[in-house]
Amino acid sequence: AQSVSQHNHHVILSEAASLELGCNYSYGGTVNLFWYVQYPGQHLQLLLKYFSGDPLVKGIKGFEAEFIKSKFSFNLRKPSVQWSDTAEYFCAVVNSGGYQKVTFGTGTKLQVIP
Amino acid sequence: NAGVTQTPKFQVLKTGQSMTLQCAQDMNHEYMSWYRQDPGMGLRLIHYSVGAGITDQGEVPNGYNVSRSTTEDFPLRLLSAAPSQTSVYFCASRPSTSPNEQFFGPGTRLTVL
Repeated sequence: AQSVSQHNHHVILSEAASLELGCNYSYGGTVNLFWYVQYPGQHLQLLLKYFSGDPLVKGIKGFEAEFIKSKFSFNLRKPSVQWSDTAEYFCAVVNSGGYQKVTFGTGTKLQVIP
Repeated sequence: NAGVTQTPKFQVLKTGQSMTLQCAQDMNHEYMSWYRQDPGMGLRLIHYSVGAGITDQGEVPNGYNVSRSTTEDFPLRLLSAAPSQTSVYFCASRPSTSPNEQFFGPGTRLTVL
C-alpha cells in the first residue's frame, strides 16, 4: 500500500527565513506528486504538482519542490518565507494506474513570525 | 464555474441524529471523494466514486453512506451521528484522465454533541 510521510509536524520560522518541508512516499510504481496548502479556515488549494519531466517544479507564491526518485522524496522549498505563508501544508501522492488512489500526508503546520 | 460546492458550512448535531452533507461539482469530473480532516491525521478518505452509480469505501467508511445518482452530486450521509464523527469534511472531484489534480470544496465543519 502506498503511504506518505511528512516528518515535520510543526515548523516555526521568522520572516525571510528559508523553508524546506520534507515529504517521502512509498510506492513501487509511477506516481504523480502534489503539494497542497490550507490557509487558516480555508479549503485545500493546489500549490504545485509534478507529473513528469523536469524534477524541479515551481508553484505559486515562490514555492518549488524537487522530485528525487531515488530517495522517494518530494520536498517543498521556499527561499524566503512571509507571514502570509502561515498555513498547513499537505503532500499527496497519486499512483498512475487503475483508480489512481490519492494518499495524503498528515500535514505540516507552518507558523511564520513577523 | 462554481467548482466544488458543499453545504452546509457548519452543523451541530446531537448523538444519534442523522444528516446529509451535500456536495456538487460543475466540472463534469468522473471522480468524487469525501475526506475527513482531523488534527494531526491529515485527510482520510471516507468514500469515493468513479462515476454515476459507482461508489466504494475508503479508509474510514464506518458510519457513513454515499450514493452517486448523477455526475454532479455526491452526498454523504451520517446515519446515526457519534461524537467521533466531529470533524471537518471535504468533498473533492477530479477528472478520470491521468494525470490529474483534485479540486476541493470549502468544507463542512461538523460537531456532534
